[in-house]
Amino acid sequence: AQSVSQHNHHVILSEAASLELGCNYSYGGTVNLFWYVQYPGQHLQLLLKYFSGDPLVKGIKGFEAEFIKSKFSFNLRKPSVQWSDTAEYFCAVNFPFSGGYNKLIFGAGTRLAVHP
Amino acid sequence: GAGVSQSPRYKVAKRGQDVALRCDPISGHVSLFWYQQALGQGPEFLTYFQNEAQLDKSGLPSDRFFAERPEGSVSTLKIQRTQQEDSAVYLCASSLTTSSTNEKLFFGSGTQLSVL
Repeated sequence: AQSVSQHNHHVILSEAASLELGCNYSYGGTVNLFWYVQYPGQHLQLLLKYFSGDPLVKGIKGFEAEFIKSKFSFNLRKPSVQWSDTAEYFCAVNFPFSGGYNKLIFGAGTRLAVHP
Repeated sequence: GAGVSQSPRYKVAKRGQDVALRCDPISGHVSLFWYQQALGQGPEFLTYFQNEAQLDKSGLPSDRFFAERPEGSVSTLKIQRTQQEDSAVYLCASSLTTSSTNEKLFFGSGTQLSVL
């Protein structure tokens, strides 16, 4: 069955540290990839997405992600985190036989805490 | 409205009680999804509507779960004879178009269901 794995469940960083959150999926074909973020007390919102073209995708708030097909990975990065990046981050994948609509399979999420 | 609205925000039910959870998608959005998010996990797909048609209910965990969207706008997720394992946050999401595998989903804040 298709699955999405996020390696780190909890990450604690100091402000200005660099961030990389891992995401792997279990399918060798073409997929659409997403990162969603949930800030404390808020709803899930889209951070960035990849479906074709340049494998390095830039999103909002200085985040970027790199699709590496050979590694089945879509890791999220930010060079310098801020306290306001404290949130839960979810990787999600739309596999090709999902029915032609955006049915997402989510990873378990990574809770990021950034200390001033 | 400006976003996806869900009600109630919190629901406490006694085991065996029936519950109904409401979702108001963004006006004009054709696609509507329900997800279930257990504590410490990512959202899991329950069901998908395209207008009033329920095209995918493969994620509904049992026949106690029922969803409808009779006029193609507001949707209700009903859980009959609730069990403790039904305790979770139920998320609703909508998107604008009829079929796209990379479209942005707009999520509501969810209904947190606790079954005692």
